[in-house]
Amino acid sequence: GAVVSQHPSRVICKSGTSVKIECRSLDFQATTMFWYRQFPKKSLMLMATSNEGSKATYEQGVEKDKFLINHASLTLSTLTVTSAHPEDSSFYICSAGGVGGYTFGSGTRLTVV
Amino acid sequence: AQKVTQAQTEISVVEKEDVTLDCVYETRDTTYYLFWYKQPPSGELVFLIRRNSFDEQNEISGRYSWNFQKSTSSFNFTITASQVVDSAVYFCALRNAGNMLTFGGGTRLMVKP
Repeated sequence: GAVVSQHPSRVICKSGTSVKIECRSLDFQATTMFWYRQFPKKSLMLMATSNEGSKATYEQGVEKDKFLINHASLTLSTLTVTSAHPEDSSFYICSAGGVGGYTFGSGTRLTVV
Repeated sequence: AQKVTQAQTEISVVEKEDVTLDCVYETRDTTYYLFWYKQPPSGELVFLIRRNSFDEQNEISGRYSWNFQKSTSSFNFTITASQVVDSAVYFCALRNAGNMLTFGGGTRLMVKP
């Protein structure tokens, strides 16, 4: 079946630094990938839709300059949290797919200290 | 706009009990897809089922069964003879024609031995 690989699974960074999270579709091409954020004991909130070869579409309230998304190939989308702050600490998860279903990455737990 | 409501935030049962997780959705689309996902403590999302809006047949897969009722906009999930390994957060989700997946708030199921 379709597999989405997400790295790193866990990262701790200092305030003010940037962190890049990768999301790869291993055995299929994904023209569209989705990035979600999940706070503890909360649901998944869609942050943005990543489109291969074009700009990402951000949901209302999500700062595009803070959460940079790049989808340069059909198998890779990256989310960069720039100038991270403790309030950016969260669980970030990507997914790819569509009508046939969605496959999710294993998630990245980001802790900003 | 679409919305998914999981009214039960937490459910606690004793092993071998049957348990039903409720899901009610709202959408203006006539074509849509409904999903259930399981999120164990490790964080990854495990796909359980996908149902399109034109297929109201109930489905059974082992101890899992789903009841889709368009008349009440509900897509409930029942676990029969629950086990400790069923303990997780379960999410109901809706995908509309625009390919966007909207999650319910999740139901935390705790199965005690």
